[in-house]
Amino acid sequence: QKEVEQDPGPLSVPEGAIVSLNCTYSNSAFQYFMWYRQYSRKGPELLMYTYSSGNKEDGRFTAQVDKSSKYISLFIRDSQPSDSATYLCAMSGKGGFKTIFGAGTRLFVKA
Amino acid sequence: ETGVTQTPRHLVMGMTNKKSLKCEQHLGHNAMYWYKQSAKKPLELMFVYSLEERVENNSVPSRFSPECPNSSHLFLHLHTLQPEDSALYLCASSQDRGVNTEAFFGQGTRLTVV
Repeated sequence: QKEVEQDPGPLSVPEGAIVSLNCTYSNSAFQYFMWYRQYSRKGPELLMYTYSSGNKEDGRFTAQVDKSSKYISLFIRDSQPSDSATYLCAMSGKGGFKTIFGAGTRLFVKA
Repeated sequence: ETGVTQTPRHLVMGMTNKKSLKCEQHLGHNAMYWYKQSAKKPLELMFVYSLEERVENNSVPSRFSPECPNSSHLFLHLHTLQPEDSALYLCASSQDRGVNTEAFFGQGTRLTVV
């Protein structure tokens, strides 16, 4: 079983839709959860960062962590064509755990 | 611009060639990383340097050889690569190696081995 599972997509939605991106994980020691966005021909950039369980909101983006289910989500409201990118989840924990990345989900938002 | 610059952006090399990838960070960070990104696969951490000392090597074949001459520069020397080594190679830096420290990535070098 992979440590982090993420559906690679692609996911195609119309402009204005609510997008839900998800990852599951197996290691209960993970405490830090991140979402990176990677545009084509660019490196990943940190989008959202959450510690432990709960929600975090930043503009149109909401990150949600459910540690009991080992499930994290990124919601994008009022999606825009400029949101078209690959979204990678990443997580790490205390005790020297390195950051583990998901495979990334490719998102297309159609105008 | 993220403050992490990688050169070249694209590289095509034969299996008998020797080439080097370069990474430079202008952020004053103490940790630098090499990652490999293949299609539909998670980012694979290859090497970690902290304060110019290699602190992690994740079972990477010896045909990949990193070098960190100072805290701002990181190289990846390549020799006798295989076609399966074709991928996007990403350099990243962070303030330190803490697990909750944001990593800043370069744009990557797209490597094709023929």
